Amino acid sequence: AQKITQTQPGMFVQEKEAVTLDCTYDTSDQSYGLFWYKQPSSGEMIFLIYQGSYDEQNATEGRYSLNFQKARKSANLVISASQLGDSAMYFCAMRDRTSGGSYIPTFGRGTSLIVHP
Amino acid sequence: EAQVTQNPRYLITVTGKKLTVTCSQNMNHEYMSWYRQDPGLGLRQIYYSMNVEVTDKGDVPEGYKVSRKEKRNFPLILESPSPNQTSLYFCASSPAVPTLTQYFGPGTRLTVL
Repeated sequence: AQKITQTQPGMFVQEKEAVTLDCTYDTSDQSYGLFWYKQPSSGEMIFLIYQGSYDEQNATEGRYSLNFQKARKSANLVISASQLGDSAMYFCAMRDRTSGGSYIPTFGRGTSLIVHP
Repeated sequence: EAQVTQNPRYLITVTGKKLTVTCSQNMNHEYMSWYRQDPGLGLRQIYYSMNVEVTDKGDVPEGYKVSRKEKRNFPLILESPSPNQTSLYFCASSPAVPTLTQYFGPGTRLTVL
């Protein structure tokens, strides 16, 4: 079973509108971290936001916020006031402890976001 | 400037010709890892290292080797590359605490003919 599921292969949004990118995860570990990365067409991976499993408040970084619903194992990324430069692939990722005691990150397959003017 | 560097950025090679992709970080991070990215599959971890001389397999280690002789360097070695190793490769590093973010290198686009 996939540990990280991103169900939206592609999303379209109008400039200046908000958009939510979905991410659900699967882990039996109590201590884990959730991340979102942006990959523009140039290819680099850009860290956006982090949420720890014990954090009670939703993480926020500028126009990015993470809607963390622990009971539902959901970690959706919300981008407010979309800009043309937000067009990119977005990856949800999780680091939890494997059965061997190591922390190995798992990435989702990504969501392609296109922002229309 | 804190960064992860990879070399080369682009490489076209032929089947069976050994190659090494270098990775170096200047942040004194203990944890380093290699990923490959293929269309529709996201990033998959190849190998990781928790510290010097400590390496372990990730999800897709077959056909790859790594070494961690120094804290800052974590080269990826393909002893006998094959066309199915054509991919975009990323090196990443992070502090030892696993819940902290990883810093990614710029990527190496490898084509094996």
